[in-house]
Order: sequence, then C-alpha cells, then structure tokens
Amino acid sequence: DTAVSQTPKYLVTQMGNDKSIKCEQNLGHDTMYWYKQDSKKFLKIMFSYNNKELIINETVPNRFSPKSPDKAHLNLHINSLELGDSAVYFCASSPGGAGETQYFGPGTRLLVL
Amino acid sequence: AQSVTQLDSQVPVFEEAPVELRCNYSSSVSVYLFWYVQYPNQGLQLLLKYLSGSTLVKGINGFEAEFNKSQTSFHLRKPSVHISDTAEYFCAVSRNSNYQLIWGAGTKLIIKP
Repeated sequence: DTAVSQTPKYLVTQMGNDKSIKCEQNLGHDTMYWYKQDSKKFLKIMFSYNNKELIINETVPNRFSPKSPDKAHLNLHINSLELGDSAVYFCASSPGGAGETQYFGPGTRLLVL
Repeated sequence: AQSVTQLDSQVPVFEEAPVELRCNYSSSVSVYLFWYVQYPNQGLQLLLKYLSGSTLVKGINGFEAEFNKSQTSFHLRKPSVHISDTAEYFCAVSRNSNYQLIWGAGTKLIIKP
C-alpha cells in the first residue's frame, strides 16, 4: 500500500491550460505539503496544510491554489500554465510536530509546452 | 534567518571507498537536523535525523552523521559506498519550535565503478 500517492505521474500540457494534481496519504498524518523541485533539483516549499487549515503559504503566483477536502487529501490546481511552471511537484505528509519525518510521494513531472 | 549550505554540488567517489557529504547550517536557535535521499526518478526519503542526545546519528543503508554544534555542521558519512547509493542527498534543518524544513541545494553522489 502506497503511503503518499500522487496523480498523475506525468503531465504534459500547453501554455495557458489549467491543470490539477491530486495527493492522498494513508498514514493518518495531520500535515501535508506541496513542494516544487526545479531542473537543478532545488526544493521549494509552496504550501502546507494542518488539519485542512492552510499554515504555510510561501511566495508563489496566485495561479497556484491548494485545496484540502479532508485531512488525507491535498490537491494543487494551477491556472494559466506557463513555461516556468515545468518542474517536478512533490506532495509530502508528516504527523505535524517539530522534528517529525516528512514522507514524500513519487512526484508529478509537469511539462508545459 | 536559517539557512543550509551543502558545500559540494557533486561528489564523485569510487565504489567501496568512503564518502563524506558536507552540510553547514546557520541558526541562532536550537535546531533539528535531517538528511534525506532522493534516488533517480523517485521521491525523497529520510536517511537519518538528529533531534537531541548523542551527536552521532546512525541511519539506513549504513549512513551516519555527526552533529557538531560549535561548527554548525551535520556531515553525512558512509565507510564504503555501493553503486546503489547513487542519488541526490539533501540536508535540511528546522527550528525545534517549528516543523517547516529549510533545505540545502542537494549533493549528487556519483559512484564510479
């Protein structure tokens, strides 16, 4: 059973389109995250939710909108996709306390043409 | 503000040789320290972490790291590497009052046969 799963695994789309990435965790964790990893492997936190409440909202374009329908799911919707949005997007979850391990999904490879 | 510096972007090493991946952090408060590994085309997974206690921390796959408070370092070591250790290694830090991780830029470990 996959602990943190993401769909789709690959996403190829045209500039200007709107797309969503879904994330689900079956670990019973309270906190979920979205990260962006660029082509140089640099990891950037985008958002974090704790018990469906947004707690980290880093400086990202407002074309990116997270939605947490329940504690086990955190989806990422992207409007008006741009070339610079091409990256790997990782979902992660953790129990939420300081020092806790974050568990990562396999990533969604987004390519904007 | 906290920051994490991984001093080497790439470390080439021969198979069965020892390796050290360097990580330095800056923080004026107590921190928790982490090493994560990312195998090709996969998500990140925890190698080891330091929360408190013994400054020598042992992790999975034969890796260990030593917390040095005076040098603000948390270097990762393995006495004998294998081809399967080929991966990107990330150092991260969080304040012990906060679960947001600050990530280093990553070090690519290249194993030469």
